[in-house]
Amino acid sequence: DARVTQTPRDKVTEMGQEVTMRCQPILGHNTVFWYRQTMMQGLELLAYFRNRAPLDDSGMPKDRFSAEMPDATLATLKIQPSEPRDSAVYFCASGLSSLAGTEFFGPGTRLTVL
Amino acid sequence: DQQVKQNSPSLSVQEGRISILNCDYTNSMFDYFLWYKKYPAEGPTFLISISSIKDKNEDGRFTVFLNKSAKHLSLHIVPSQPGDSAVYFCAASDTGTASKLTFGTGTRLQVTL
Repeated sequence: DARVTQTPRDKVTEMGQEVTMRCQPILGHNTVFWYRQTMMQGLELLAYFRNRAPLDDSGMPKDRFSAEMPDATLATLKIQPSEPRDSAVYFCASGLSSLAGTEFFGPGTRLTVL
Repeated sequence: DQQVKQNSPSLSVQEGRISILNCDYTNSMFDYFLWYKKYPAEGPTFLISISSIKDKNEDGRFTVFLNKSAKHLSLHIVPSQPGDSAVYFCAASDTGTASKLTFGTGTRLQVTL
């Protein structure tokens, strides 16, 4: 049963600390997305990779967020320094194409910044 | 500026009855619309979609209706079942690609016995 996995599932940290969230896409998937879910905005796309190359990260606050794919089995999203307004659930999704509705979401990382 | 709006944060429906979830959009360039379902502690899963060339798409108990002139779509679930209790997100795209999806804030559906 192929699934997208995300770690950690929950993270509580203090303002100013670095946060790293990890995602393991489904094996063979070449498209990876990072989303953020907040009550006010719903789901927002932060970054999008194809074949490990970043194609769009216009949704990310550039000064503090960074997203990478060190290899095909790992995607990371870093926040440095973290702020209380970053508190949200962060989802990773992977797929074989960029066609909407074909992506598979991971269970998310719930981030709380105090 | 919320381009996709789900004005009802929550909805409660009795088992066996029809659930109707609504979604409005403001961007006239959107031409592909989707609904996702999300259970607690899980990621969203794709449910059903509709292209702007259609006004209805059906998949089992789920039907999506699109009214382009009103910039409105709705998801009908008939009959509603307790397992349908979840948060439903409406999403829209002007390219059909996941990289250009705009999501609503979600509606929590509770199907009661």
